[in-house]
Amino acid sequence: DQQVKQNSPSLSVQEGRISILNCDYTNSMFDYFLWYKKYPAEGPTFLISISSIKDKNEDGRFTVFLNKSAKHLSLHIVPSQPGDSAVYFCAASAYSGNTPLVFGKGTRLSVIA
Amino acid sequence: DTEVTQTPKHLVMGMTNKKSLKCEQHMGHRAMYWYKQKAKKPPELMFVYSYEKLSINESVPSRFSPECPNSSLLNLHLHALQPEDSALYLCASSQTFRDRGGGYTFGSGTRLTVV
Repeated sequence: DQQVKQNSPSLSVQEGRISILNCDYTNSMFDYFLWYKKYPAEGPTFLISISSIKDKNEDGRFTVFLNKSAKHLSLHIVPSQPGDSAVYFCAASAYSGNTPLVFGKGTRLSVIA
Repeated sequence: DTEVTQTPKHLVMGMTNKKSLKCEQHMGHRAMYWYKQKAKKPPELMFVYSYEKLSINESVPSRFSPECPNSSLLNLHLHALQPEDSALYLCASSQTFRDRGGGYTFGSGTRLTVV
């Protein structure tokens, strides 16, 4: 049973527009969420994170929103650039219970020039 | 040095072979991880080492044997693998097992093919 779900396997967006990647989770013990970006032939790289005590975290063009009641988070990229084309993984962890990161399946973002 | 280095990048092995995957980091991280990723699937945790001690083994078959010789190195010894074990094997590290700050630093992975 997947605890972290990314239901859109792929997304295409025009350069300069907003990219919105979604993630849902089922484990109510999760209290820390991260987004990773992965290029082909490379390992995932950390992008941005959010703690459950917040509902928004912003870093440059990247903003993550957390809706705890809906167990949903989203990553907004504005404006999208061709270099953002990659697979984006949502990940979650629970401080209690020694739970390491649990990943979603990923969403492949293609930013079209 | 802010990298996790994995060798080899690619490995093809027969079902009767014995091989090892290596992972190295010099960031002073005290937690190291092995993940397995198959195509169109999320990375799945295999093992966690915390301060060179095995903390978590996610019910991984004994044909996979991890080893942490020191705080900078993590090995994964492979023996009598099956074709379904073909996957990308990712190593990661973090300051400590409970480090929440920037998440994990991943290596580029070893693409393993079992024939």
